[in-house]
Amino acid sequence: ILNVEQSPQSLHVQEGDSTNFTCSFPSSNFYALHWYRWETAKSPEALFVMTLNGDEKKKGRISATLNTKEGYSYLYIKGSQPEDSATYLCALVQGAQKLVFGQGTRLTINP
Amino acid sequence: NAGVTQTPKFQVLKTGQSMTLQCAQDMNHEYMSWYRQDPGMGLRLIHYSVGAGITDQGEVPNGYNVSRSTTEDFPLRLLSAAPSQTSVYFCASSLAGTARYGYTFGSGTRLTVV
Repeated sequence: ILNVEQSPQSLHVQEGDSTNFTCSFPSSNFYALHWYRWETAKSPEALFVMTLNGDEKKKGRISATLNTKEGYSYLYIKGSQPEDSATYLCALVQGAQKLVFGQGTRLTINP
Repeated sequence: NAGVTQTPKFQVLKTGQSMTLQCAQDMNHEYMSWYRQDPGMGLRLIHYSVGAGITDQGEVPNGYNVSRSTTEDFPLRLLSAAPSQTSVYFCASSLAGTARYGYTFGSGTRLTVV
């Protein structure tokens, strides 16, 4: 089972600031990478599915980039709002239906 | 649409008891999976299915059985509950392969084995 690393584990950001965090993975045997947002007391919600090196995806103030050759993905949040407080998960598609999840980055937005 | 429905939301079992966690989806998704969430660990795959009648093991399958007799339902059976199976269980489904589609998750079942 390959290892998916997310950093930092937790992050506190002032409202209005922009932030980013990282998902690192072994670059070989890459199929796809998922990002999820997981709010407290809810279930994870899919943000992006990324497959191509150099892929960039955007959803409102949240965007993600992918570098499969060096084995990392960045998630960016522009102008953080309190509703962005959540744990952000990345997951690597290892094959067929096998997703390997990182432990997540817990983001707290301070008003 | 209800999405992915998991029942029960909470359950307490005694060691050695068996039970079934239910999962149903109404989105005609082909792919369904069960994950467990433990403190300090990422979501770990227990079993998955790529269609009715087809199931396979994930990373942590021991102590669990699954079956997929219909597209809609994917129950998870605990054969003889152990304290190590205390966890939060999530069922998830996707329209097709996860190289293209993200998961839709259920709301989870919090299981305590005493």
